[in-house]
Parts: sequence; structure tokens; C-alpha cells
Amino acid sequence: KAGVTQTPRYLIKTRGQQVTLSCSPISGHRSVSWYQQTPGQGLQFLFEYFSETQRNKGNFPGRFSGRQFSNSRSEMNVSTLELGDSALYLCASSERTATDTQYFGPGTRLTVL
Amino acid sequence: AQRVTQPEKLLSVFKGAPVELKCNYSYSGSPELFWYVQYSRQRLQLLLRHISRESIKGFTADLNKGETSFHLKKPFAQEEDSAMYYCALGWASGSRLTFGEGTQLTVNP
Repeated sequence: KAGVTQTPRYLIKTRGQQVTLSCSPISGHRSVSWYQQTPGQGLQFLFEYFSETQRNKGNFPGRFSGRQFSNSRSEMNVSTLELGDSALYLCASSERTATDTQYFGPGTRLTVL
Repeated sequence: AQRVTQPEKLLSVFKGAPVELKCNYSYSGSPELFWYVQYSRQRLQLLLRHISRESIKGFTADLNKGETSFHLKKPFAQEEDSAMYYCALGWASGSRLTFGEGTQLTVNP
């Protein structure tokens, strides 16, 4: 099976802009989780989706949002970008829940200038 | 609050020496614990989970509910074990994983 793919791999934006990141899970996987990874904070949970429904959300401001489509592909959006949003954004898919084996994508490196 | 603590950011051992990566958690419910590993230039991947009680690549981890710990152990470290290791706690009916900050393990020749 093809692994989890994320697009784009790299992004450079300026403060105040918005950005959309995409994640394609492994075929048959219905749970998609998003994480923000930074050197100082490690892996921080953003949200988890299952069958187009957000089941859980981490402690991030409302500028961070996401959605999942009927084919399980997921997008996350960050509006009004801030310098502190610079990070590696990881997507992971699993069969049903986040506690099934999660398969991670390569990440999208977002730099906010 | 749910929390995972990995007290060592960096751990360095020699090849053939035993290694133990510490993980402590706080959670009032029934925990599901995992170890994920990221080798250089590879994706983060599952190493093992407490419910399976397997030994993967010579690593084992025992859940100690009394001490709220899930330490990862290997009796004889190999150079290829050098990687970043993350302990993770599953909760909220399986809809969420909380990760520790990770331990960078270096196995010296």
C-alpha cells in the first residue's frame, strides 16, 4: 500500500496570510490525526478526524481548523499566520482510532516570515 | 491533565551496553501506552504498544500502573538503535495521542 502523503512538502508564507495543508491517508484508513512539531514543544496534537467528523481537538487557537472528506483525505488550514506557527506539520492515518497503529506522513515544513 | 514525561532529552550509551529510556505518564483512566521511533531521515513509526507485550528489535516495555511508568529497555544496544524515541499516551476513547518530548538516543561504537 502507498504510504501517507502530504502536500506541499515545504511552504514559505508571510505573517497574516493563510495556508492549507493536505494529507492523503493510507487506503482504507479512516482516522486522520494532525500534529505540530517544533524543537521546543515536541509533537503537539492538533485534531483527529474520523468519517468526516472531528472527534478531538487539541489546545490550539481557532485559527487552526481542519476537515476530512468522504475519501478520508484531510486538510488543515491556518489563518492569519503568526511567526510562531513555523513548524513541521505531521499527518498520521490509522484504521479506526488514533490508538490503532498510526502511520505518519513526511510532514509539511511551514516557515512564516 | 493527561501528560507524558520523558526526563532525558539526550541519552548516550556504548554498543553492547544496556539502555533504558524513561517514560512517565499522568492519566486517571485506563492508559494505552506506545513507543514511537524516528530514525534519521525516516518517518515516525510505531515501535511497540503495551497491550501487545511484544519484543520489537530487542526492545521491551512494561506498563507499571503503580509507578505510572512505561520505560523502554534493551539489554544490548546496537548502533542502529540510534534514533529519536517518543513515548505516547492514548486516551479520549482512542481519538487522541499525547506524546512526550522525546529522547534522542545515541549508541556509540
